[in-house]
Amino acid sequence: EADIYQTPRYLVIGTGKKITLECSQTMGHDKMYWYQQDPGMELHLIHYSYGVNSTEKGDLSSESTVSRIRTEHFPLTLESARPSHTSQYLCASSGGQGRIQETQYFGPGTRLLVL
Amino acid sequence: GQQLNQSPQSMFIQEGEDVSMNCTSSSIFNTWLWYKQEPGEGPVLLIALYKAGELTSNGRLTAQFGITRKDSFLNISASIPSDVGIYFCAGRKTGANNLFFGTGTRLTVIP
Repeated sequence: EADIYQTPRYLVIGTGKKITLECSQTMGHDKMYWYQQDPGMELHLIHYSYGVNSTEKGDLSSESTVSRIRTEHFPLTLESARPSHTSQYLCASSGGQGRIQETQYFGPGTRLLVL
Repeated sequence: GQQLNQSPQSMFIQEGEDVSMNCTSSSIFNTWLWYKQEPGEGPVLLIALYKAGELTSNGRLTAQFGITRKDSFLNISASIPSDVGIYFCAGRKTGANNLFFGTGTRLTVIP
C-alpha cells in the first residue's frame, strides 16, 4: 500500500489565481514526480526531484513550478491559473535500492478546473 | 515521439473472458511496470518486472518482460466487472532517468 497523499482532490478556481497543489509521502522516498494527465489519456512528466533542493523540468513544458525543501513534501505552484491548465495532476514517488527505485507509486491526483 | 505503443486502445469483453494487452517499443527497456487507473484516481501499481523473460503473477493478473526487452504483455484471466479501468504500461529505457508511459488500454467488462 503506497502512502502518498495529494490535496486538494478537486479544485475549481478562477483565471489569474495563484494555486498550490500539495503532495506528501511517508515512505521516505528520495525521488518524487509530477505528471499532468487529461482524462483517459497518457501521463506526461512535468517535474521531478531526486532529493531535497533538487528539481528538474520534465518532458512536457509547464508553467508550474515546484520546490523540494523536505524529503516528504513536493508542492506544485501555478502563479496565475489559466483555463489551459485544466487537467488532472498526479504526484508520484519512488525509492529504495537497485531496480526497485524505478517503481513509482502514485497519489490519488488533483483534478483542477480553471474557469 | 511516442516511446511506447500500447494495444489495444480499448476492449469490450464479457465477464469471465480472458484479456491480453501488450506494450512494444523500438528501444530496449530495463524495467516494465503495469498500472491500473480508475476514473478520478491515480494509477495503482499491479506488477513490476525487472529482468528479461521474467513472468510474474498477481492474483488473476500475469505479466511478462519480453526476451527482446522491447515488449511486455499483461494477461487478466476470468475477468470480473471490477477489472474495468484503464491499464497503462510504463518502462525505463536504457540511458533514461525517468519512466515512459503507454497510451493506455481501456477495458470494459460486460456482466
